[in-house]
Amino acid sequence: DQQVKQNSPSLSVQEGRISILNCDYTNSMFDYFLWYKKYPAEGPTFLISISSIKDKNEDGRFTVFLNKSAKHLSLHIVPSQPGDSAVYFCAASVTGNQFYFGTGTSLTVIP
Amino acid sequence: DAGVTQSPTHLIKTRGQHVTLRCSPISGHKSVSWYQQVLGQGPQFIFQYYEKEERGRGNFPDRFSARQFPNYSSELNVNALLLGDSALYLCASSLVLLGIHGYTFGSGTRLTVV
Repeated sequence: DQQVKQNSPSLSVQEGRISILNCDYTNSMFDYFLWYKKYPAEGPTFLISISSIKDKNEDGRFTVFLNKSAKHLSLHIVPSQPGDSAVYFCAASVTGNQFYFGTGTSLTVIP
Repeated sequence: DAGVTQSPTHLIKTRGQHVTLRCSPISGHKSVSWYQQVLGQGPQFIFQYYEKEERGRGNFPDRFSARQFPNYSSELNVNALLLGDSALYLCASSLVLLGIHGYTFGSGTRLTVV
């Protein structure tokens, strides 16, 4: 049973524009949400997190939005850069130590 | 500073065999978690160890086991390998038990079962 879903397997965006990656979850008990970026042949790299007590967290070009009522979170990247091209995973946890990952969205930023 | 190191990087095993994967966390990190990533899927939680004790176990059969050593390195053992065990096995470390500020992942061990 997939508790975290990323319904868009891929996304292409022009350099300089906004990239919006979406993630939906089914477990209303999830308290912590993370985004990871993964390049080929490397492990996932942590990007940004948000707890359920907040609805927005910002770190430089990256902003995560959380809509608890819709069980939806999104990652905004502004402006998008070619180096942002990677697979992005969202992950969620109830306890803060066991994380459920989505299937990933492959982002391509076109120069 | 060395990141999370995993060995070996690639491994080919035959069905029914046993495999041991190794992980060295970032220096000072006391928590090690193991994840399995099957092609086309996201990582799936297998185990977490913190201060040498098991602190979490995912939905995996008893053929999967792990341990953490006094130096905080960890081993993941899989017995009676099945074709479906073919995957990228990721190790992640963190300073504390909770990974709410993000884990640091290694590059993984690619296991192929034939």
